[in-house]
Amino acid sequence: GPKVLQIPSHQIIDMGQMVTLNCDPVSNHLYFYWYKQILGQQMEFLVNFYNGKVMEKSKLFKDQFSVERPDGSYFTLKIQPTALEDSAVYFCASSLGWDSDYTFGSGTRLLVI
Amino acid sequence: GDSVTQTEGQVALSEEDFLTIHCNYSASGYPALFWYVQYPGEGPQFLFRASRDKEKGSSRGFEATYNKEATSFHLQKASVQESDSAVYYCALRSNYGNEKITFGAGTKLTIKP
Repeated sequence: GPKVLQIPSHQIIDMGQMVTLNCDPVSNHLYFYWYKQILGQQMEFLVNFYNGKVMEKSKLFKDQFSVERPDGSYFTLKIQPTALEDSAVYFCASSLGWDSDYTFGSGTRLLVI
Repeated sequence: GDSVTQTEGQVALSEEDFLTIHCNYSASGYPALFWYVQYPGEGPQFLFRASRDKEKGSSRGFEATYNKEATSFHLQKASVQESDSAVYYCALRSNYGNEKITFGAGTKLTIKP
């Protein structure tokens, strides 16, 4: 079936540096999401994005986080500056409609050292 | 806020055993209920959903019935196979529009050959 691609699959970065996680959603999907999963823990909602705007964000979506999808290209999550507690797997998802099921990518494993 | 509780963190069975993974939810009205499955190194995959009381969702031999009175959506399979080993997530989405999917903590299913 259709897939969501996430690039890179792994990223190691020094604390305080900037990182951008890239997501190539399913081509005709209109809604985009980021979730965060710390190893062995629950998958937690960060943000959803539609029509060029953030629709909802959670308390985990700190001021250092931002999302965008310039000109229909990658849907990106930027963290600037990174902190040790940002180490996690970040999953991107997309859906056709607000009430559709999600298609997830395989995740980006981020390690902040 | 909305929440999903999965009773079992881990389940270990043998092939051809009967599977039940318990899921209870807390939300107003009639949320949509989901099951997702996650294999190692991949993102969660949509398994099936149900949107109304007493509706049964099913896929690949797995099934669950929406029970509003008990606020439950337990996952069952009559005869598990080794290939069913994965993490299973129960999830919900409130039906008030533009709501994100909230996931439970997940249940790791291990099937011994």
